[in-house]
Amino acid sequence: AQSVTQLGSHVSVSEGALVLLRCNYSSSVPPYLFWYVQYPNQGLQLLLKYTSAATLVKGINGFEAEFKKSETSFHLTKPSAHMSDAAEYFCAVSEGGAQKLVFGQGTRLTINP
Amino acid sequence: DTAVSQTPKYLVTQMGNDKSIKCEQNLGHDTMYWYKQDSKKFLKIMFSYNNKELIINETVPNRFSPKSPDKAHLNLHINSLELGDSAVYFCASSQVSGEVFFGEGSRLTVL
Repeated sequence: AQSVTQLGSHVSVSEGALVLLRCNYSSSVPPYLFWYVQYPNQGLQLLLKYTSAATLVKGINGFEAEFKKSETSFHLTKPSAHMSDAAEYFCAVSEGGAQKLVFGQGTRLTINP
Repeated sequence: DTAVSQTPKYLVTQMGNDKSIKCEQNLGHDTMYWYKQDSKKFLKIMFSYNNKELIINETVPNRFSPKSPDKAHLNLHINSLELGDSAVYFCASSQVSGEVFFGEGSRLTVL
């Protein structure tokens, strides 16, 4: 069965600092991996996805993530945090397509001025 | 134009009542989903429909009954509401193996 673990339910960084949100997955087959962002009282928006092409994936709003099979990780980074990045971030895995997304527990990102 | 729209956005109701949430997508997608987000923000799939056919049912109590009258609509009816049903319910849609688009959620509060 697939699963996702996000390390740290809450991450706080200063504006302009590096953002690093950690995600480890478990999957019996080559996975598809996703990062979603959820702003307060809104739905989820796709930031980026890995589908077995390039291991470094670039997404919207300056975010990127690197797929590391040896570490079963798919960490999300952004070089310089902006106040508008404050939100809840979810890592998700699916086996071969988007028919069933399995989500991690989420990481709340706070940006300090 | 909202891609995936759900109504109502908020429901407050008493235990034992029956309620429905409606969902419509205008993206031309073949697959629609219901996800539940609990009070700890944990998201879990409940149902998935492809071309009006149920393909995923994640051991959800049979008090929950999804209905897909056509490809663009997936409604969720809940009978005999319980306190534990309080959550945010998200409708979503996608093409097979495509990006999943989520609605803004329907917050259900059972008193």
